[in-house]
Parts: sequence; structure tokens; C-alpha cells
Amino acid sequence: TQLLEQSPQFLSIQEGENLTVYCNSSSVFSSLQWYRQEPGEGPVLLVTVVTGGEVKKLKRLTFQFGDARKDSSLHITAAQPGDTGLYLCAGAPTGNQFYFGTGTSLTVIP
Amino acid sequence: ETGVTQTPRHLVMGMTNKKSLKCEQHLGHNAMYWYKQSAKKPLELMFVYNFKEQTENNSVPSRFSPECPNSSHLFLHLHTLQPEDSALYLCASSQDTGQGYEQYFGPGTRLTVT
Repeated sequence: TQLLEQSPQFLSIQEGENLTVYCNSSSVFSSLQWYRQEPGEGPVLLVTVVTGGEVKKLKRLTFQFGDARKDSSLHITAAQPGDTGLYLCAGAPTGNQFYFGTGTSLTVIP
Repeated sequence: ETGVTQTPRHLVMGMTNKKSLKCEQHLGHNAMYWYKQSAKKPLELMFVYNFKEQTENNSVPSRFSPECPNSSHLFLHLHTLQPEDSALYLCASSQDTGQGYEQYFGPGTRLTVT
């Protein structure tokens, strides 16, 4: 049983389309992070959310933390080929350790 | 040199070999981490070092032996590995441990055990 479930596992869309990926758990997290990992590289932190209901925007990316702090979503508007990568969420139930989900592999076709 | 570097980038080893992975960070951070990334599995934290002292060992088999001689360098010594140990091994660093500190990852070492 995994602490964090991400969906969908794979997503392939055309350039210009919108998409949403999800990160769900039955556990409550004190904070949650989203990373993007490109092929041959390590994950790069995109955002950290800490407050239930919090919404953060990073250009065309919108991150939302669920009110109960058990889930999160990432919405991308007008996807571009440069958005292609593996999107990982990581949550910290308590203490310092973050637990990662299995990720959503996104391909944006030009 | 910038960020977090890892060498080698690719490694193929037999089950009886002994090899070491190296990680170096040029960010002035005090904490360093080893993660294992396998296909279709979540990223798994293996070891955490803070100010050269090991603070986390997540039940990692003894065939993996970490070494942190200083805050800038981290090694993972490998011996008598199994084929299921084949994975991408990622190193990361942060200013300190704790949720408020961003982790910076290296590009990883792709390990194949034959």
C-alpha cells in the first residue's frame, strides 16, 4: 500500500490543451511538494503547499492543496512541449521525511 | 561546477563486484540524502546525513554502505548486490533537514546489476 497515489500514471496530450493531475492519500500531511523530473535528470522542486485549501500559481501551473490536507492537484493551462516530464508529489505526514508518489508521466506532443 | 553532481552516471556491475557511487554538492548545504528510484515504485529515501552525521537509515540492507566524510561529499559503497537493486540512485542536498528546506537533486546514477 502506497502512502501517496498519483493519477493518471501516464498522460499524452496535444500542445495547447489543459490538464490536471492528482495526488491522493488517506493520510493528513503537514506539507506537500510537487516536483518535475526530466529524463536523465533529478527531480526539481516546483512548489510547496502547507495550508489546507491553499492555491499557488507558477506561470501556467496551478497547485491546490485539499482542505483536509490529504490531497493535491496540479493543473497546467495551454501545455507546451517543455512541460513534458515526470510529475512527482511528496508529502510529509509528520516530522521531516517526505514520502513520494509514483508520479505522472506527461508527454506534450507539438 | 554548480548544484549537485553525481558520478558515475551509469554503472553496470556483477553481483560479486564492489563499487562506489559519489555525490558532491557545491551549494554550501549541511544535509545530504541518498534515494532509490525504481520503475513503477515511489522514490525511496535510503539515508540522511546532517553535518556529516547519519540521521536516517530507512531499513536499508547492509550491502549498501554510506559514507559522508564532509558536508560536501557523500558516497554509497556497494557490495554483493542483487539484480533487484538495479535502479536510479539519486543524491540530494538541502541547507538543513526539515520540511522547510528545499532539496536539490543530482542527475542520478543508473545502476544495473547483472
